[in-house]
Amino acid sequence: GENVEQHPSTLSVQEGDSAVIKCTYSDSASNYFPWYKQELGKGPQLIIDIRSNVGEKKDQRIAVTLNKTAKHFSLHITETQPEDSAVYFCAASIGGNQFYFGTGTSLTVIP
Amino acid sequence: DVKVTQSSRYLVKRTGEKVFLECVQDMDHENMFWYRQDPGLGLRLIYFSYDVKMKEKGDIPEGYSVSREKKERFSLILESASTNQTSMYLCASSLEQERGYTFGSGTRLTVV
Repeated sequence: GENVEQHPSTLSVQEGDSAVIKCTYSDSASNYFPWYKQELGKGPQLIIDIRSNVGEKKDQRIAVTLNKTAKHFSLHITETQPEDSAVYFCAASIGGNQFYFGTGTSLTVIP
Repeated sequence: DVKVTQSSRYLVKRTGEKVFLECVQDMDHENMFWYRQDPGLGLRLIYFSYDVKMKEKGDIPEGYSVSREKKERFSLILESASTNQTSMYLCASSLEQERGYTFGSGTRLTVV
């Protein structure tokens, strides 16, 4: 099956700096890549997603890029704020609504 | 917004007990899922269901079973709880294939 690797496992940035989280996947048939944010005591929430026919997608301070050839995709958060502190998960799907998740990145934004 | 509700936030059970974790969604989603979340391992799929009375095994089904008698409710059952089933359990639902999930807030289960 699909294998998704996520790096780094922890990330600390100063408020206002950018944060980048990277994921790689193994199955070239994967065609949908969502990102989730999990705040303390809550379930993961979908924050952005990208499909394999698109190379980049932006939503305000968040962007995701996809390199199908290299089989990796990244989450970029610009102008980080303390409320961005959370655990972020990437995921990949080869269809059929089953997702394979990365192991998570704990992001801390230092005021 | 879709709401996925898990009946308990925290549970403490004894080894050998039969444990029921309940999940209800309010937006008529066909697809429902149970994951467990462990540090360093991410989210691992236990079981999922695409329709009432239908279930499929995920990656780690051993020691678990599920029930989906109504479209909105998906229950996870630990037939005989063991300490290695201590974990955070997350329920999720979705409407279409290849759309993101909506997760519940999770149930933190401790088996002693």
